[in-house]
Amino acid sequence: KNEVEQSPQNLTAQEGEFITINCSYSVGISALHWLQQHPGGGIVSLFMLSSGKKKHGRLIATINIQEKHSSLHITASHPRDSAVYICAVLSFGNEKLTFGTGTRLTIIP
Amino acid sequence: DTGVSQNPRHKITKRGQNVTFRCDPISEHNRLYWYRQTLGQGPEFLTYFQNEAQLEKSRLLSDRFSAERPKGSFSTLEIQRTEQGDSAMYLCASSLESLIGYTFGSGTRLTVV
Repeated sequence: KNEVEQSPQNLTAQEGEFITINCSYSVGISALHWLQQHPGGGIVSLFMLSSGKKKHGRLIATINIQEKHSSLHITASHPRDSAVYICAVLSFGNEKLTFGTGTRLTIIP
Repeated sequence: DTGVSQNPRHKITKRGQNVTFRCDPISEHNRLYWYRQTLGQGPEFLTYFQNEAQLEKSRLLSDRFSAERPKGSFSTLEIQRTEQGDSAMYLCASSLESLIGYTFGSGTRLTVV
C-alpha cells in the first residue's frame, strides 16, 4: 500500500462544476502539499498545510490530521484548471516529499 | 530570481551513453532535491543536498547515477551507461527550509532509445 493515495485517478467535469480531489496518507506528517502539474511537466506548488484550511482564489485545501486525510476543492471550474493535481507529504523528521500518483483533471467547456 | 532552472528541458540519448543534467536553484535556498517521475506516476525521491553536502540517497539511485552540488550552488545529476528504464522526467526542487515550502523546476525529460 502506498503511503499516499489519491482519488479519483481521473476526473472529467463540465466547466463550472465544483471539483473535489482526495488524498489519504498513512504516516505521521509535518506538512502536506498540493501541487499542480501541467503537460509540460513543471510542478507548481498550490498549498502547504499542516492543519485546518487554506484558500487561494477558487482553490480551497483542507486537512484532517486525525483522519490523515486532505481534500483539494476547485470552485467554478474552468478549462484552464485541467492539469494533474498531486498530493505530497513531508513525514516527521524527513526532508523529502512522498508523492501520490496524481489526479488527472479535465474540464470540458 | 527566476526560480529553479533546469537544463536541458529535453534530452534524447542512445542506450549506453552518459548524460548530465543541471539544476540551478533559487539562490538563497540551501536545500536541493532531485526526483524522478515516470509516466503516470508521482515523482520519487532520488537525492537531497544541504549546501554542498549530499545528505540522503534513495535506493533508486544505482551506481550509474551520481549527483554533485559543488560550492552549494547549482547541482548536476549524471547518469552513466543509460538504459531504457532511465527514461523519465527528472525534477529538481529547492527550499530554504522544508517547512517553508519548495520550488520546483520545469524538469528534464530524458528519453533513452
